[in-house]
Amino acid sequence: GQNIDQPTEMTATEGAIVQINCTYQTSGFNGLFWYQQHAGEAPTFLSYNVLDGLEEKGRFSSFLSRSKGYSYLLLKELQMKDSASYLCAVLDSNYQLIWGAGTKLIIKP
Amino acid sequence: GAVVSQHPSWVICKSGTSVKIECRSLDFQATTMFWYRQFPKQSLMLMATSNEGSKATYEQGVEKDKFLINHASLTLSTLTVTSAHPEDSSFYICSARWPWETGGILGEDVNQPQHFGDGTRLSIL
Repeated sequence: GQNIDQPTEMTATEGAIVQINCTYQTSGFNGLFWYQQHAGEAPTFLSYNVLDGLEEKGRFSSFLSRSKGYSYLLLKELQMKDSASYLCAVLDSNYQLIWGAGTKLIIKP
Repeated sequence: GAVVSQHPSWVICKSGTSVKIECRSLDFQATTMFWYRQFPKQSLMLMATSNEGSKATYEQGVEKDKFLINHASLTLSTLTVTSAHPEDSSFYICSARWPWETGGILGEDVNQPQHFGDGTRLSIL
Protein backbone atom coordinates (compact mmCIF):
# COMPACT_ATOMS: atom_id res chain seq x y z
CA GLY A 1 0.00 0.00 0.00
CA GLN A 2 0.89 3.64 -0.08
CA ASN A 3 2.10 5.29 3.07
CA ILE A 4 3.35 8.66 4.21
CA ASP A 5 4.76 9.11 7.70
CA GLN A 6 5.17 12.36 9.60
CA PRO A 7 5.51 13.01 13.32
CA THR A 8 2.15 13.78 14.87
CA GLU A 9 3.27 16.78 16.85
CA MET A 10 6.38 18.87 17.44
CA THR A 11 7.18 21.75 19.77
CA ALA A 12 9.74 24.48 19.17
CA THR A 13 10.71 27.86 20.56
CA GLU A 14 10.14 31.21 18.91
CA GLY A 15 13.24 32.28 16.98
CA ALA A 16 14.60 28.75 16.73
CA ILE A 17 14.85 26.30 13.82
CA VAL A 18 12.71 23.20 13.39
CA GLN A 19 12.87 20.33 10.90
CA ILE A 20 9.74 18.35 10.06
CA ASN A 21 10.44 15.01 8.46
CA CYS A 22 8.35 13.04 5.99
CA THR A 23 9.03 9.53 4.72
CA TYR A 24 7.02 7.92 1.99
CA GLN A 25 6.42 4.60 0.27
CA THR A 26 4.29 5.13 -2.80
CA SER A 27 3.67 3.48 -6.14
CA GLY A 28 5.88 5.76 -8.18
CA PHE A 29 6.87 9.33 -7.54
CA ASN A 30 6.12 12.51 -9.43
CA GLY A 31 6.84 15.10 -6.81
CA LEU A 32 6.35 16.01 -3.17
CA PHE A 33 4.41 18.96 -1.79
CA TRP A 34 4.40 20.67 1.57
CA TYR A 35 1.35 22.57 2.75
CA GLN A 36 0.66 24.66 5.84
CA GLN A 37 -2.74 24.48 7.48
CA HIS A 38 -3.78 26.75 10.34
CA ALA A 39 -6.51 25.46 12.61
CA GLY A 40 -9.92 25.86 11.04
CA GLU A 41 -8.51 26.96 7.72
CA ALA A 42 -7.76 25.34 4.37
CA PRO A 43 -4.19 24.31 3.47
CA THR A 44 -1.90 26.74 1.69
CA PHE A 45 0.89 25.66 -0.64
CA LEU A 46 4.46 26.00 0.66
CA SER A 47 6.80 24.05 -1.61
CA TYR A 48 7.23 21.45 -4.33
CA ASN A 49 10.22 19.14 -4.83
CA VAL A 50 10.61 16.75 -7.71
CA LEU A 51 14.42 16.55 -7.92
CA ASP A 52 16.84 15.70 -5.10
CA GLY A 53 18.18 18.56 -3.10
CA LEU A 54 17.22 21.61 -1.17
CA GLU A 55 14.75 24.26 -2.27
CA GLU A 56 14.90 27.48 -0.29
CA LYS A 57 12.11 29.99 -0.09
CA GLY A 58 12.63 32.66 2.53
CA ARG A 59 12.47 31.23 6.04
CA PHE A 60 11.22 27.90 4.70
CA SER A 61 13.30 25.26 2.92
CA SER A 62 12.34 21.82 1.68
CA PHE A 63 14.68 18.91 1.00
CA LEU A 64 14.12 15.74 -1.00
CA SER A 65 15.98 12.46 -1.33
CA ARG A 66 14.15 10.19 -3.75
CA SER A 67 16.44 7.23 -3.16
CA LYS A 68 15.62 7.34 0.56
CA GLY A 69 11.95 8.20 0.15
CA TYR A 70 12.53 11.14 2.46
CA SER A 71 11.82 14.81 2.66
CA TYR A 72 11.99 17.48 5.31
CA LEU A 73 10.63 20.96 5.76
CA LEU A 74 12.97 23.34 7.57
CA LEU A 75 11.56 26.42 9.24
CA LYS A 76 14.00 29.08 10.43
CA GLU A 77 13.55 32.06 12.74
CA LEU A 78 10.32 30.64 14.00
CA GLN A 79 7.46 33.02 14.63
CA MET A 80 4.31 32.45 16.66
CA LYS A 81 2.28 32.57 13.45
CA ASP A 82 4.11 29.46 12.26
CA SER A 83 2.05 27.43 14.72
CA ALA A 84 0.05 25.23 12.36
CA SER A 85 -0.15 21.76 10.89
CA TYR A 86 2.27 20.93 8.10
CA LEU A 87 1.10 18.42 5.52
CA CYS A 88 3.36 16.34 3.31
CA ALA A 89 1.81 15.01 0.09
CA VAL A 90 3.28 12.84 -2.68
CA LEU A 91 2.18 12.65 -6.30
CA ASP A 92 2.27 8.97 -7.23
CA SER A 93 2.72 7.28 -10.61
CA ASN A 94 -0.95 7.88 -11.46
CA TYR A 95 -0.60 11.53 -10.50
CA GLN A 96 -2.82 10.94 -7.50
CA LEU A 97 -1.92 13.05 -4.48
CA ILE A 98 -1.29 10.93 -1.39
CA TRP A 99 -1.56 12.92 1.83
CA GLY A 100 0.23 12.47 5.11
CA ALA A 101 -1.68 12.94 8.35
CA GLY A 102 0.16 16.18 9.07
CA THR A 103 2.48 17.41 11.81
CA LYS A 104 1.09 19.84 14.34
CA LEU A 105 3.79 22.38 15.17
CA ILE A 106 3.48 24.24 18.45
CA ILE A 107 5.60 27.35 18.89
CA LYS A 108 6.34 28.51 22.42
CA PRO A 109 7.58 31.99 23.38
CA GLY B 1 -4.62 36.59 -3.53
CA ALA B 2 -7.03 33.71 -3.54
CA VAL B 3 -7.14 31.59 -6.67
CA VAL B 4 -10.02 29.37 -5.57
CA SER B 5 -13.21 30.67 -3.99
CA GLN B 6 -15.54 28.48 -1.95
CA HIS B 7 -19.01 29.36 -0.71
CA PRO B 8 -20.56 29.26 1.82
CA SER B 9 -18.01 29.32 4.65
CA TRP B 10 -20.41 28.04 7.27
CA VAL B 11 -23.63 26.09 7.10
CA ILE B 12 -25.79 25.06 10.02
CA CYS B 13 -28.94 23.19 9.14
CA LYS B 14 -31.38 20.55 10.26
CA SER B 15 -30.99 16.86 9.62
CA GLY B 16 -32.51 15.83 6.29
CA THR B 17 -31.65 19.07 4.54
CA SER B 18 -29.65 19.11 1.31
CA VAL B 19 -26.73 21.51 1.21
CA LYS B 20 -24.94 22.84 -1.87
CA ILE B 21 -21.34 24.05 -1.74
CA GLU B 22 -19.81 26.00 -4.61
CA CYS B 23 -16.18 26.03 -5.69
CA ARG B 24 -14.97 28.56 -8.24
CA SER B 25 -11.59 28.98 -9.87
CA LEU B 26 -10.66 32.64 -10.09
CA ASP B 27 -8.79 33.96 -13.12
CA PHE B 28 -8.21 30.50 -14.58
CA GLN B 29 -10.15 27.61 -16.01
CA ALA B 30 -10.02 24.28 -14.23
CA THR B 31 -10.87 21.10 -16.08
CA THR B 32 -10.51 19.24 -12.81
CA MET B 33 -11.39 20.16 -9.25
CA PHE B 34 -11.04 18.11 -6.09
CA TRP B 35 -13.36 17.74 -3.12
CA TYR B 36 -11.98 16.85 0.29
CA ARG B 37 -13.44 16.25 3.70
CA GLN B 38 -11.57 16.76 6.93
CA PHE B 39 -12.71 15.69 10.37
CA PRO B 40 -11.25 17.36 13.47
CA LYS B 41 -7.58 16.59 14.04
CA GLN B 42 -7.44 14.35 10.97
CA SER B 43 -5.83 14.82 7.60
CA LEU B 44 -7.52 15.59 4.34
CA MET B 45 -9.55 12.82 2.80
CA LEU B 46 -10.18 13.00 -0.94
CA MET B 47 -13.83 12.39 -1.64
CA ALA B 48 -13.99 12.82 -5.38
CA THR B 49 -12.42 14.35 -8.45
CA SER B 50 -14.72 16.62 -10.39
CA ASN B 51 -14.27 16.62 -14.16
CA GLU B 52 -15.72 19.35 -16.34
CA GLY B 53 -18.31 17.99 -18.73
CA SER B 54 -18.21 14.44 -17.42
CA LYS B 55 -19.01 12.39 -14.35
CA ALA B 56 -17.03 12.81 -11.19
CA THR B 57 -14.69 10.10 -10.01
CA TYR B 58 -15.46 9.05 -6.46
CA GLU B 59 -13.05 7.51 -3.98
CA GLN B 60 -13.81 4.15 -2.49
CA GLY B 61 -16.37 4.35 0.27
CA VAL B 62 -17.84 7.68 -0.80
CA GLU B 63 -21.52 7.45 -1.75
CA LYS B 64 -22.01 9.15 -5.08
CA ASP B 65 -25.77 9.37 -4.60
CA LYS B 66 -25.30 11.21 -1.33
CA PHE B 67 -22.53 13.54 -2.45
CA LEU B 68 -23.60 14.88 -5.82
CA ILE B 69 -20.95 16.66 -7.83
CA ASN B 70 -21.60 18.87 -10.83
CA HIS B 71 -18.85 20.51 -12.85
CA ALA B 72 -20.93 22.39 -15.36
CA SER B 73 -18.35 24.95 -16.40
CA LEU B 74 -14.59 25.40 -16.40
CA THR B 75 -14.77 27.70 -13.40
CA LEU B 76 -17.45 26.13 -11.22
CA SER B 77 -17.90 22.83 -9.44
CA THR B 78 -20.61 22.16 -6.88
CA LEU B 79 -20.93 19.54 -4.18
CA THR B 80 -24.41 18.82 -2.87
CA VAL B 81 -24.75 16.84 0.35
CA THR B 82 -28.18 15.30 0.03
CA SER B 83 -30.32 14.52 3.05
CA ALA B 84 -27.51 15.49 5.38
CA HIS B 85 -27.25 13.87 8.81
CA PRO B 86 -25.16 14.76 11.87
CA GLU B 87 -22.42 12.32 10.83
CA ASP B 88 -21.94 14.39 7.66
CA SER B 89 -20.84 17.34 9.78
CA SER B 90 -17.30 18.11 8.70
CA PHE B 91 -14.99 20.60 7.01
CA TYR B 92 -15.37 20.35 3.23
CA ILE B 93 -12.64 21.82 1.06
CA CYS B 94 -12.26 22.08 -2.70
CA SER B 95 -9.11 22.60 -4.71
CA ALA B 96 -7.96 23.15 -8.26
CA ARG B 97 -4.71 23.29 -10.19
CA TRP B 98 -3.50 25.76 -12.77
CA PRO B 99 -4.08 24.36 -16.24
CA TRP B 100 -1.75 24.05 -19.18
CA GLU B 101 -2.85 25.15 -22.58
CA THR B 102 -1.39 24.29 -25.93
CA GLY B 103 -2.81 24.78 -29.37
CA GLY B 104 -6.03 25.96 -27.85
CA ILE B 105 -6.44 22.75 -25.91
CA LEU B 106 -6.90 23.11 -22.18
CA GLY B 107 -5.64 20.42 -19.85
CA GLU B 108 -4.71 19.89 -16.27
CA ASP B 109 -1.11 20.41 -15.23
CA VAL B 110 -0.66 17.60 -12.73
CA ASN B 111 2.68 18.95 -11.54
CA GLN B 112 1.13 22.17 -10.34
CA PRO B 113 0.18 22.41 -6.65
CA GLN B 114 -3.44 22.23 -5.69
CA HIS B 115 -4.80 25.55 -4.51
CA PHE B 116 -7.55 25.31 -1.94
CA GLY B 117 -10.70 27.23 -1.30
CA ASP B 118 -11.28 28.52 2.22
CA GLY B 119 -13.42 25.50 3.07
CA THR B 120 -16.99 25.07 4.24
CA ARG B 121 -17.76 24.09 7.78
CA LEU B 122 -20.94 22.05 7.74
CA SER B 123 -22.84 21.41 10.96
CA ILE B 124 -25.95 19.25 10.84
CA LEU B 125 -28.19 19.45 13.88
